[in-house]
Amino acid sequence: RKEVEQDPGPFNVPEGATVAFNCTYSNSASQSFFWYRQDCRKEPKLLMSVYSSGNEDGRFTAQLNRASQYISLLIRDSKLSDSATYLCVVATTDSWGKFQFGAGTQVVVTP
Amino acid sequence: GAVVSQHPSWVICKSGTSVKIECRSLDFQATTMFWYRQFPKQSLMLMATSNEGSKATYEQGVEKDKFLINHASLTLSTLTVTSAHPEDSSFYICSAHISGEASGRSYNEQFFGPGTRLTVL
Repeated sequence: RKEVEQDPGPFNVPEGATVAFNCTYSNSASQSFFWYRQDCRKEPKLLMSVYSSGNEDGRFTAQLNRASQYISLLIRDSKLSDSATYLCVVATTDSWGKFQFGAGTQVVVTP
Repeated sequence: GAVVSQHPSWVICKSGTSVKIECRSLDFQATTMFWYRQFPKQSLMLMATSNEGSKATYEQGVEKDKFLINHASLTLSTLTVTSAHPEDSSFYICSAHISGEASGRSYNEQFFGPGTRLTVL
């Protein structure tokens, strides 16, 4: 079983719509959680960290469910520029920073 | 945010040659840098953890004699792919790790370089 699992998609989303997807992780000792965005043939860029209380950054909302061991990302009012692959990242050792990456969820926003 | 550069951004080489990739943190010091490899439509796979002034720690299945890592300073780590073969063709990405506390919250982040696309003929 992979340590971090994501639905690969693609999620085809009309512009202006809302899309949400989850990521599950297997290690209950995981301490840090992130969503990264990766555009085609580019490096990952941090979208947002995910805090226990959940957090929002503009149109993006992230939630953490420790009991069920998943994190979620919701994108409201989707823009064409939101088309990308969203990588779920989990770190098990806070001080060392070693990250486990999911394979990514592809989102395609259509006009 | 913090800036990490990688050089070269792409390289094409013949089978059997060695290729050196540099990863630099431009506006901060990083005691730890990571090297990843990503094949098309797959996730980033951690190859090794590079610690300044000490030997790199390699992930299972990654040959340390083939992928030589040197972290000579707090701002520079290099990955050398020795005797490259076509199966080594991939997207190699480095990241620099920062952790600490700010505004009462702990942070643990990695900043990625733009990646190096290696093609071995």
